[in-house]
Amino acid sequence: DSGVTQTPKHLITATGQRVTLRCSPRSGDLSVYWYQQSLDQGLQFLIQYYNGEERAKGNILERFSAQQFPDLHSELNLSSLELGDSALYFCASSLRPNGELFFGEGSRLTVL
Amino acid sequence: EDKVVQSPLSLVVHEGDTVTLNCSYEVTNFRSLLWYKQEKKAPTFLFMLTSSGIEKKSGRLSSILDKKELFSILNITATQTGDSAVYLCAVEGKIIFGKGTRLHILP
Repeated sequence: DSGVTQTPKHLITATGQRVTLRCSPRSGDLSVYWYQQSLDQGLQFLIQYYNGEERAKGNILERFSAQQFPDLHSELNLSSLELGDSALYFCASSLRPNGELFFGEGSRLTVL
Repeated sequence: EDKVVQSPLSLVVHEGDTVTLNCSYEVTNFRSLLWYKQEKKAPTFLFMLTSSGIEKKSGRLSSILDKKELFSILNITATQTGDSAVYLCAVEGKIIFGKGTRLHILP
């Protein structure tokens, strides 16, 4: 158990809908990362927060947004969902802005 | 654009064999290279390498970084079926992952 908690574990929804994925980092970790993993693309970096502030942005679509709250948990919002958004979404945390990441078990999103 | 390329993408060997996994990278503001093992779900940390030419070891696994040639290798000796997994390489800047090497060990 890495100490990173993600909810929900599984989510099935329809095209056009909006979902929110939640991540609680390890106790004491200030940095949160979001990744999307699909079969053919590997782990794609979406966005990173450090102590409530956005620190780095990857290939995150405009339909997606994220934030890190004062209690350091983070949420990833996915809207106007498309079939291609079906993937495993991982959250990871670290103590420093960079370094060893601890991953949650992921949220599997299926868009029908 | 930052890039991490792993090879081979897939590898099947017999138990007891030694394997070498490769990771090459192009990244601005390089800080470190990380190796992870992904079995069923979440990737788990193996190594962090920051200095060129210094080998990191953990049991049968070892890794080394060449900052001049921009690559790293992960060696696994005396492989066991439990080593079957996807091995991921990542580099800091932003933490960018390669697509991974899927390793399957035959008994």
